[in-house]
Amino acid sequence: NAGVTQTPKFRILKIGQSMTLQCTQDMNHNYMYWYRQDPGMGLKLIYYSVGAGITDKGEVPNGYNVSRSTTEDFPLRLELAAPSQTSVYFCASRPEGSIGATPANTEAFFGQGTRLTVV
Amino acid sequence: GNSVTQMEGPVTLSEEAFLTINCTYTATGYPSLFWYVQYPGEGLQLLLKATKADDKGSNKGFEATYRKETTSFHLEKGSVQVSDSAVYFCALPNSGYSTLTFGKGTMLLVSP
Repeated sequence: NAGVTQTPKFRILKIGQSMTLQCTQDMNHNYMYWYRQDPGMGLKLIYYSVGAGITDKGEVPNGYNVSRSTTEDFPLRLELAAPSQTSVYFCASRPEGSIGATPANTEAFFGQGTRLTVV
Repeated sequence: GNSVTQMEGPVTLSEEAFLTINCTYTATGYPSLFWYVQYPGEGLQLLLKATKADDKGSNKGFEATYRKETTSFHLEKGSVQVSDSAVYFCALPNSGYSTLTFGKGTMLLVSP
């Protein structure tokens, strides 16, 4: 069981370049998330999705885009990379919980992260 | 909305010392509370959780009790090891349960 898989693990981008961070999960979780973690800081939510075809903004969505065409995949797109986007990016997924119940009790499962440097 | 506040680090301890990392929360209703751990160079992984008031979560010698009266979920371990050196995050779902909100993290450094 692979869990949450992120690629690539490391990437260096030049200012203005674009790239897609890939995230896939094999646990059939409805909820998926993208967080960024700056050095010495906590996690900030960029975007999230509660199911295929549904996405919503988190705290820091500017400069990013997402799509969710399948349950398994939740790619994060950077269109015009800026030095402020230098960070470690984590994808996570979370089950919805029991049928008919809210996900109040379900934990998130994280990928290993993508370390992105924009120069 | 729901939020957590945890003590700032780093917390520096000698091996076999007692650990407490404070976490307090503000929440609508009674969502589950979580502690996550992040080892160097890795992603976050669930350490323990508690799903209702007075529940005690435990794992790997760590414990935390869901205290409704004091709105707290402090993480404790009786005897830390060097291998416990990591960043610890307190977390809870938002009021709609669609996302998880994390504290800022507390770095623990344990020396031999």
